[in-house]
Amino acid sequence: DSGVTQTPKHLITATGQRVTLRCSPRSGDLSVYWYQQSLDQGLQFLIQYYNGEERAKGNILERFSAQQFPDLHSELNLSSLELGDSALYFCASSFSPGPSRPTEAFFGQGTRLTVV
Amino acid sequence: EDQVTQSPEALRLQEGESSSLNCSYTVSGLRGLFWYRQDPGKGPEFLFTLYSAGEEKEKERLKATLTKKESFLHITAPKPEDSATYLCAVHSWNSGGSNYKLTFGKGTLLTVNP
Repeated sequence: DSGVTQTPKHLITATGQRVTLRCSPRSGDLSVYWYQQSLDQGLQFLIQYYNGEERAKGNILERFSAQQFPDLHSELNLSSLELGDSALYFCASSFSPGPSRPTEAFFGQGTRLTVV
Repeated sequence: EDQVTQSPEALRLQEGESSSLNCSYTVSGLRGLFWYRQDPGKGPEFLFTLYSAGEEKEKERLKATLTKKESFLHITAPKPEDSATYLCAVHSWNSGGSNYKLTFGKGTLLTVNP
C-alpha cells in the first residue's frame, strides 16, 4: 500500500458526460501529480500541484482541469468525455518535487475510466 | 523537449538468466532518475532513486546504475515473480522558470519463465 488513495476505482460513463476523480496524497506529501495511461501509451503527464498551486502542466486537454485543495487532496475533472478518454488515470504524491534532490513519487492504484 | 527512451520494449528471460534494462534520457536540468515496477492494472511501485552519475542502488535481485546519459537496471538470477513492466522516470528542472516535471519512458515488459 503506497498510502495514496484514489476514488473511484472504476468509472463507466457516456460520451459527453463529466466526471471527477479524487486523490488523497500520502500523509505529509505536498505535491500531487496526475497521469493518464492508455493501452498503447506510456504514462502521460497531465498536471502537477504543489501545496495548492499549479506547478507544471503536461499534455492536458482543455476539457480537463484539476485543483488541489487546502487539505492537499486533489481532484481531476474530465468533461465532454470522448471514447478516446478511456484510460487508467493515476495520481501520485511526493514530499519534495524539486528543484534539488526531488523525492520519489508514490502512486495510487488508479481510476479506470471507461467511456461508452 | 525532454525524452526518455527505454529498451528493449520487451524481454523474455529464463529463470536465473541475468540481464539489463536500459533507460536513456535527453533532458535539461536532470535532478533525479527513478525506477518503478508496474504490474498489469496496478499503479507503479517505486524501486530506486538515483541523483548523480556513478551512483548505484541495490535491492534483492535488482541493481540500478546511472551515467550522464543513461541508467541501467540489472536483474540478477531473476524469478518468475520479477515479471512486470519496469518504468524509468526522470525529474528535470527548467532553470529558466519554475517549471519541473517527472517524465516517464514507455517501459520494458519483462517476462521471466520458470
